[in-house]
Formats: sequence, C-alpha cells, structure tokens
Amino acid sequence: EIVLTQSPGTLSLSPGEKATLSCRASQSLNSNFLAWYQQRPGQAPRLLIFAASSRATGIPDRFSGSGSGTDFTLTINRLDPEDFAFYYCQQYGNSPWTFGQGTKVEI
Amino acid sequence: QVQLVESGGGVVQPGGSLRLSCAASGFTFSHFAMHWVRQAPGQGLEWVALIWYDGSQRYYADSVKDRFTISRDNSKNTVSLQLNSLRVDDTAMYFCARVQGKAVGGSDYWGQGTLVTVSS
Repeated sequence: EIVLTQSPGTLSLSPGEKATLSCRASQSLNSNFLAWYQQRPGQAPRLLIFAASSRATGIPDRFSGSGSGTDFTLTINRLDPEDFAFYYCQQYGNSPWTFGQGTKVEI
Repeated sequence: QVQLVESGGGVVQPGGSLRLSCAASGFTFSHFAMHWVRQAPGQGLEWVALIWYDGSQRYYADSVKDRFTISRDNSKNTVSLQLNSLRVDDTAMYFCARVQGKAVGGSDYWGQGTLVTVSS
C-alpha cells in the first residue's frame, strides 16, 4: 500500500497570502497519478488537481499542482476567504487507492 | 448537470448489513468507473471500493475486503455497496464519486453522502 504523508497538519495564514501544501508518497507514483481535493465542513470533497498538475474544470488559476515521483505540492496563491478548508491528496495509480491524512488551512 | 445521490444509510447493530445505492444522472454512466469513499466523524477520507465502467474489475480496501461488495447496473445508472458484517469502526459518511475515466482517474463529481452508524 502506498502511504501518502501530508504536511503541515495545519497551516495558519491570512487572506491574500500564499499557501504551500506538501504530499509525500512512500513510493514513486505511476504516471504521476495524484489528485488534490478541497473539502469544506459539511460538504463533499471537490477535485482541484489531477495528474499532479492539471486543474479540474472550473478551478481558479490561483490553485496549482506540481511535483513528480514521490514529492508533490499544492500551491494556493492569494488565499481567498473561501479557500480556508481541508485539503487531501490521493494517489490513484495503484490499488488500494489511498488518501493523505489532510492539511487544514485556517485563518 | 451531473448528479450523484446516495441513499440507504441508517443505524445498524454490529454484525448487521446495509445496502447503499447511488443514483447517477446527467452523464453517460456506462462510460465511467465509480468509487465509494467514506469519512468517519471528524476524520479524513478513506477510499473503500472501485468498480470499472463495465463492472469487469472491482477493487477493495483491505479494511472492507470480504465484507463489502461493490456492484453497478448500467441499465439503471446506479452503483451499489453491500455492507455485511458491519463493525463499529465502519461508522462513517459514505460518498459515491465518479472517476474521470473508464478505470482510473481523479474523482470529479461526488454525492453528498449517506450516513452509516453502527452501534448497539
């Protein structure tokens, strides 16, 4: 099983600042099959990024993904108040598909 | 527009069974793989099961293997999850989600979830 480790656990920032979230895999991911999701309290997750760096439909360009192999990053430029939420990475190249434990971005 | 609507959750005793369903609309259901993902109260996301677009392949998390069964009916645009031998630690919100492709991809649409509570 591929273990995904996200850091930091909590990121305390202000609106307008930049957020940098990390996701490290225990082994190299097939074809960079890594996704990032946003989840606000009481809501279902929302796909932000797939294939490590491709933005999903309708996602603002202040969200960007990068990385390859075992190290991946989600960057949120100019934090908007609606961006304060939980963020999860997920690998979908090998069964079992696995999620990281999440990063909370808080004000 | 794409919609996924889960149903079938509820309160069940340990050792009991439930069947969850997810009704899909707004897209060609038979062209996409489907997941079930769960989230225990106050916890993170846990992948549960995946079924390919045609039902030919199914995959399970170790924590549910031999207890849960994923299936789909492409004529009715539904994906189901049969939960047997339920345990207290199966208590969670269960989400169905569409995979971007026939077998692999990110999950681009999610339902709002159905709550399963396992308690005596």
